Amino acid sequence: GQQLNQSPQSMFIQEGEDVSMNCTSSSIFNTWLWYKQDPGEGPVLLIALYKAGELTSNGRLTAQFGITRKDSFLNISASIPSDVGIYFCAGQPGGTSYGKLTFGQGTILTVHP
Amino acid sequence: EPEVTQTPSHQVTQMGQEVILRCVPISNHLYFYWYRQILGQKVEFLVSFYNNEISEKSEIFDDQFSVERPDGSNFTLKIRSTKLEDSAMYFCASADRGPQETQYFGPGTRLLVL
Repeated sequence: GQQLNQSPQSMFIQEGEDVSMNCTSSSIFNTWLWYKQDPGEGPVLLIALYKAGELTSNGRLTAQFGITRKDSFLNISASIPSDVGIYFCAGQPGGTSYGKLTFGQGTILTVHP
Repeated sequence: EPEVTQTPSHQVTQMGQEVILRCVPISNHLYFYWYRQILGQKVEFLVSFYNNEISEKSEIFDDQFSVERPDGSNFTLKIRSTKLEDSAMYFCASADRGPQETQYFGPGTRLLVL
């Protein structure tokens, strides 16, 4: 099946620093989504990307849909303690598997005040 | 803001018992999903459901699993005879599939099989 490789696995940063994480795939996705998950909670949608090359921002978050449709990155600027959590990328392949989301392994973010 | 809700939040059961996990999707959504997340691992797709039938299912979704939309609001996942390895967080998601679908997740049910 389709696999998403997400990196880094974890990050330890100081408050105020910028963060970057990315996902790559060997196959094409038609939609890329970025979710954040707090412990014991469900994934919360941060940013959705629908077109190759698309660059979208949501406050301090910026994400891009790679031009090859096989990758995406998420940047967080000026991190704050509440950014702590696990960040997942997810892709939708389209076609007959339109709705099915394939998730990356997650990036655990720790922000030191 | 509308949200997906799930009950119960936690369930402990004995191996071999049946469990039913319940979800109330966002009211105008037509596409429903179940995912699971084993502790410390990534979220995995189980099944998608539309128009009262399964659209797609993963290898995980074997004969022990079933889904149902018994009325206009609930969407359920049944595990007929639970196994130890079924212990996980189970997430329901729903979407209104227009030109651009976005899936919204519920808070999850933590299932522990003893």
